[in-house]
Amino acid sequence: DADVTQTPRNRITKTGKRIMLECSQTKGHDRMYWYRQDPGLGLRLIYYSFDVKDINKGEISDGYSVSRQAQAKFSLSLESAIPNQTALYFCATSEGTGKDTQYFGPGTRLTVL
Amino acid sequence: EDQVTQSPEALRLQEGESSSLNCSYTVSGLRGLFWYRQDPGKGPEFLFTLYSAGEEKEKERLKATLTKKESFLHITAPKPEDSATYLCAVQLIGSSNTGKLIFGQGTTLQVKP
Repeated sequence: DADVTQTPRNRITKTGKRIMLECSQTKGHDRMYWYRQDPGLGLRLIYYSFDVKDINKGEISDGYSVSRQAQAKFSLSLESAIPNQTALYFCATSEGTGKDTQYFGPGTRLTVL
Repeated sequence: EDQVTQSPEALRLQEGESSSLNCSYTVSGLRGLFWYRQDPGKGPEFLFTLYSAGEEKEKERLKATLTKKESFLHITAPKPEDSATYLCAVQLIGSSNTGKLIFGQGTTLQVKP
């Protein structure tokens, strides 16, 4: 079984709809991250969390919110989706300071019409 | 401004034709440099971490090296299964508490039989 899973894998939605992307991990890592990937722009950090009580904005957090329900679960929400949020979304985890390697999930392809 | 630039954007090789991918960085202070492999429709897969100039790491046909301004990913006698996008990311000094990475845009490698 995969260490980092994301659901759904693909989603098509309409402008103005609320949508939630979910991430679960079995690696036992404290840190979790949400990225989006766009052609030509690389991976950009949306939000990151050190633990259940510690959530921080990344470089492109506008239009997004997150919830860390447990050590193993980190959800990303788009409150009112817009077409320029069409992208690949990845969740990642890392162990913590000194163990910096981030391990990525399989991604969610989101299309906003 | 901290920047990571990968070149070339795309590379086509014949099977067995060795080459190198470049990742150059302009950052305030480098803590670590990471290489990932990404297959179409999948999440990035961790390959290497390099922490200091002169450091080298190898895995099968891949060898990563690091200088004070850039990193190279050398591919020796590549096979078609090495076809993928290779991503470079840097972690800045002071970012170890957050684990934040700055990604390059990637090099897409195609190896023809």
